[in-house]
Amino acid sequence: AQSVTQLDSQVPVFEEAPVELRCNYSSSVSVYLFWYVQYPNQGLQLLLKYLSGSTLVESINGFEAEFNKSQTSFHLRKPSVHISDTAEYFCAVSDQRPDKLIFGTGTRLQVFP
Amino acid sequence: NAGVTQTPKFQVLKTGQSMTLQCAQDMNHNSMYWYRQDPGMGLRLIYYSASEGTTDKGEVPNGYNVSRLNKREFSLRLESAAPSQTSVYFCASSELASGGEQETQYFGPGTRLLVL
Repeated sequence: AQSVTQLDSQVPVFEEAPVELRCNYSSSVSVYLFWYVQYPNQGLQLLLKYLSGSTLVESINGFEAEFNKSQTSFHLRKPSVHISDTAEYFCAVSDQRPDKLIFGTGTRLQVFP
Repeated sequence: NAGVTQTPKFQVLKTGQSMTLQCAQDMNHNSMYWYRQDPGMGLRLIYYSASEGTTDKGEVPNGYNVSRLNKREFSLRLESAAPSQTSVYFCASSELASGGEQETQYFGPGTRLLVL
């Protein structure tokens, strides 16, 4: 069965610093990869996704993630974080249709001024 | 266009009580899902419905039942609540793209349930 590992439960970082949130998944022939963000007391919102094609995907608010098949990773990065990026970030994977997402345990990003 | 709505937002139950969590979506999606979120465990799929009239078990279905009332609505029922069911419950919906690609799941705001 597919599984997802988010190695860091919490990542503290100062504003304007770069950040990387790590995500690894168990190997599969084909996978669909997602990053969701959850702001306090809200539901999850899609940040970005990899379905096929270019291995580097970007979001509208400056995050990017790269699909690395050989390392079975889909790490999320941002070159300069803002206070407003403080949230919990979930990596998710699916290898089935209809979609059944398997979520990681989440990484809490805390941005300090 | 409200997206995915859930009621109630909060609920406190005593052990053994029953309740139904309601979910509705106005995006004409075929697929709907119920997840629970617990600290340190991420989101786990309870049940899902690939289309109107079908439901399937997810990772943690024990203690729950679901009903896909119509294309818009997907309810989750706890027949006899237990403290282990204290959690935040999220409903989601999605649609497969015409090419069969995985589509985005849209989530509701959640229901916070406390079972005493």
